[in-house]
Amino acid sequence: AQSVTQPDIHITVSEGASLELRCNYSYGATPYLFWYVQSPGQGLQLLLKYFSGDTLVQGIKGFEAEFKRSQSSFNLRKPSVHWSDAAEYFCAVGAPGSARQLTFGSGTQLTVLP
Amino acid sequence: DTEVTQTPKHLVMGMTNKKSLKCEQHMGHRAMYWYKQKAKKPPELMFVYSYEKLSINESVPSRFSPECPNSSLLNLHLHALQPEDSALYLCASSQVTAGNTIYFGEGSWLTVV
Repeated sequence: AQSVTQPDIHITVSEGASLELRCNYSYGATPYLFWYVQSPGQGLQLLLKYFSGDTLVQGIKGFEAEFKRSQSSFNLRKPSVHWSDAAEYFCAVGAPGSARQLTFGSGTQLTVLP
Repeated sequence: DTEVTQTPKHLVMGMTNKKSLKCEQHMGHRAMYWYKQKAKKPPELMFVYSYEKLSINESVPSRFSPECPNSSLLNLHLHALQPEDSALYLCASSQVTAGNTIYFGEGSWLTVV
């Protein structure tokens, strides 16, 4: 069975600083990988996804993520954080052939300081 | 249009009430999902419908009863709930093929009193 680990429960950055959120997965083959963002009281919005091909994936709101097979990682990055980026971020893995589709990490809460 | 619409946004119900949560999508998706999310936790899968048939029930108590009347609609009927069932209930949809993007609604906040 697949699993996802987000090692950082809470990250605080200053506005304008760069950001990296970590995600490690466990799966026997190449999984499908996703990053979702959830603002307070809202549903989940897809930031980006990786299925195959170029390992550097561009998403919405200036986010990008890099798939590194050797490290089983799919870290999310943003070069300059805005105050509106404060939210909960979930990494998720989908296993080909699995009807359950997604296994979520425990999430990382991002706080942005002015 | 990548939108999943959920109603109501907020619901307060007593433990003896019967209520329903509704979800609608018009993206032509044939897989629809109910997730439950407690505060500060990731979503937990409850049910999966594939081609309007229940394909996964993650050992959810029978006080939660899903229904998929057609390919665009998904309901969650609630009866005799407990206070610990208070949570955000998220509906989602996707193409049936594994690996396709799952699109989430804004959720329905349920409080059981």
